[in-house]
Amino acid sequence: QQQVKQSPQSLIVQKGGISIINCAYENTAFDYFPWYQQFPGKGPALLIAIRPDVSEKKEGRFTISFNKSAKQFSLHIMDSQPGDSATYFCAVKRAGNTGKLIFGQGTTLQVKP
Amino acid sequence: EAGVVQSPRYKIIEKKQPVAFWCNPISGHNTLYWYRQNLGQGPELLIRYENEEAVDDSQLPKDRFSAERLKGVDSTLKIQPAELGDSAVYLCASTPGGSETQYFGPGTRLLVL
Repeated sequence: QQQVKQSPQSLIVQKGGISIINCAYENTAFDYFPWYQQFPGKGPALLIAIRPDVSEKKEGRFTISFNKSAKQFSLHIMDSQPGDSATYFCAVKRAGNTGKLIFGQGTTLQVKP
Repeated sequence: EAGVVQSPRYKIIEKKQPVAFWCNPISGHNTLYWYRQNLGQGPELLIRYENEEAVDDSQLPKDRFSAERLKGVDSTLKIQPAELGDSAVYLCASTPGGSETQYFGPGTRLLVL
């Protein structure tokens, strides 16, 4: 069963623009919502994460918006740069289940100069 | 601080042959994960270790896959015999106690011909 649905599958943004990637989940028992960034030939790396008790978290140019009632969360990349070109994965972790992350299908972002 | 080390980085084998992947987690990280990442997809958990104990292997195809983590440090994932559908990137990740951040290695890209 697909517990995490990510969209869009790919995204092209001009330098300086805003990149927005969305995730929807099906289970209310998740308590940790990270975004991972993956460059070609590398493993995923944690970018930013949020817990369901807050609606927004910002770290530099990266912001997570969380809508608990809609079971959705999104990643916003402000002032997108060519170096942000990568694949982004949302993930969820079930409450009480130590460690197991369920990943979305990924979004390939290309930022054009 | 050195990251998660995996070897080999690439492996090409013929179907029905055995193959093994090795992972050295970040020093002091007691939780170790093996994931499989199919092309264009997010990582999927195969097995999770807490020290030397496999605490979640529900997604590991036990008819052909095996894993071990002797002494709670390095880990080996084995496939015997390999099938065409096993072609994927095998990622290892580790987490220090009390943290939810998973640190991924670069992965081993397996191609089964």
